[in-house]
Amino acid sequence: AQTVTQSQPEMSVQEAETVTLSCTYDTSENNYYLFWYKQPPSRQMILVIRQEAYKQQNATENRFSVNFQKAAKSFSLKISDSQLGDTAMYFCAFMEPPGTSYGKLTFGQGTILTVHP
Amino acid sequence: DTEVTQTPKHLVMGMTNKKSLKCEQHMGHRAMYWYKQKAKKPPELMFVYSYEKLSINESVPSRFSPECPNSSLLNLHLHALQPEDSALYLCASSRDTGRTYGYTFGSGTRLTVV
Repeated sequence: AQTVTQSQPEMSVQEAETVTLSCTYDTSENNYYLFWYKQPPSRQMILVIRQEAYKQQNATENRFSVNFQKAAKSFSLKISDSQLGDTAMYFCAFMEPPGTSYGKLTFGQGTILTVHP
Repeated sequence: DTEVTQTPKHLVMGMTNKKSLKCEQHMGHRAMYWYKQKAKKPPELMFVYSYEKLSINESVPSRFSPECPNSSLLNLHLHALQPEDSALYLCASSRDTGRTYGYTFGSGTRLTVV
């Protein structure tokens, strides 16, 4: 079974600074998908960024980027120019290849990020 | 419409009650999911529907009964729940289970069993 580990239960950062959230995973699959989701106090889970394992290029979405190290099974999220609205719980998630898991997501334990003014 | 709508937002029910949670999407997605989330914990998968058919039941107790009447609607029927079933219940949808664009989540139903 796949496992996802987020080793930082809580982190904090000053507004406008950069912060990196860590995620490691364990799988025997070669083709899979990785995601970062954000869950603010409003409860809704919001997709931040996705990465396909067969793509070597790291995904980027505006201020959010990932450092995907396939051999090390590491998938960290970098948030640049942090904003107060980035305060949320962040979940790293793993999905097996299509056709094997009906799109089941396996989540890490989450990291609570607080952005201070 | 790019939303998944869940109703009600909050629900308090007794252990002998019968209630239902509703989830609706109009994005043409053909896969829909129910997740259970305890406070400050990750979501845990309960059920997956693919093209209106139940594809995954993660050994969920029978007091939870899912239903997918059509491609836009997903229900979760609740009966004889226990206090430990109190949680946030999240619904999600995706284009289909064979594609990996990620889910669109609803904002959840906060369930309290008394």
